[in-house]
Amino acid sequence: KAGVTQTPRYLIKTRGQQVTLSCSPISGHRSVSWYQQTPGQGLQFLFEYFSETQRNKGNFPGRFSGRQFSNSRSEMNVSTLELGDSALYLCASSLAGLGGANVLTFGAGSRLTVL
Amino acid sequence: GQQLNQSPQSMFIQEGEDVSMNCTSSSIFNTWLWYKQDPGEGPVLLIALYKAGELTSNGRLTAQFGITRKDSFLNISASIPSDVGIYFCAGPPYNNNDMRFGAGTRLTVKP
Repeated sequence: KAGVTQTPRYLIKTRGQQVTLSCSPISGHRSVSWYQQTPGQGLQFLFEYFSETQRNKGNFPGRFSGRQFSNSRSEMNVSTLELGDSALYLCASSLAGLGGANVLTFGAGSRLTVL
Repeated sequence: GQQLNQSPQSMFIQEGEDVSMNCTSSSIFNTWLWYKQDPGEGPVLLIALYKAGELTSNGRLTAQFGITRKDSFLNISASIPSDVGIYFCAGPPYNNNDMRFGAGTRLTVKP
């Protein structure tokens, strides 16, 4: 079965612009979570969506937002881009969420460079 | 939230050597996950642990869920060049619905 698909894989933006990243989960997975990975901060949790509702949120400013559609596909948006937003953005899907025996399957990521 | 304390940060070893890395936390975990990430790719799950004291193997990899539920370790035996990559521990803290990660252990294997 197909894995987690993230698009685009690479993109370059300039400060002040906004960006939308897309994630298609494994078929049947209803939870999609997003992470930011940088050399300095490592992997940090952004938010999790389940059945089109944001269920959990990490400690990121409001410029970072997301949504989930009825087919479980998810998008995240970053507005008013800053240089420090340059990172690899990973999404992961799981059957039911982040806790307990739910295992995350990650996509290959979208590498964002902000100039 | 508070990330996990993972050590060592990096390791340079000779092919054939064994490797050990560990993660600790001040919080209790119900699940410990170990992932490997290759350059330009997302993390791939290696081993999942669900019970305190559990010892689980996946080929040359062995991981244990600490009895205190606040730590876990991963061992790789007889390392080979394709073991090169970054290894992460991760898990959702008890009674918490977010995911915490270690900073990663960067493994280099010299042939």
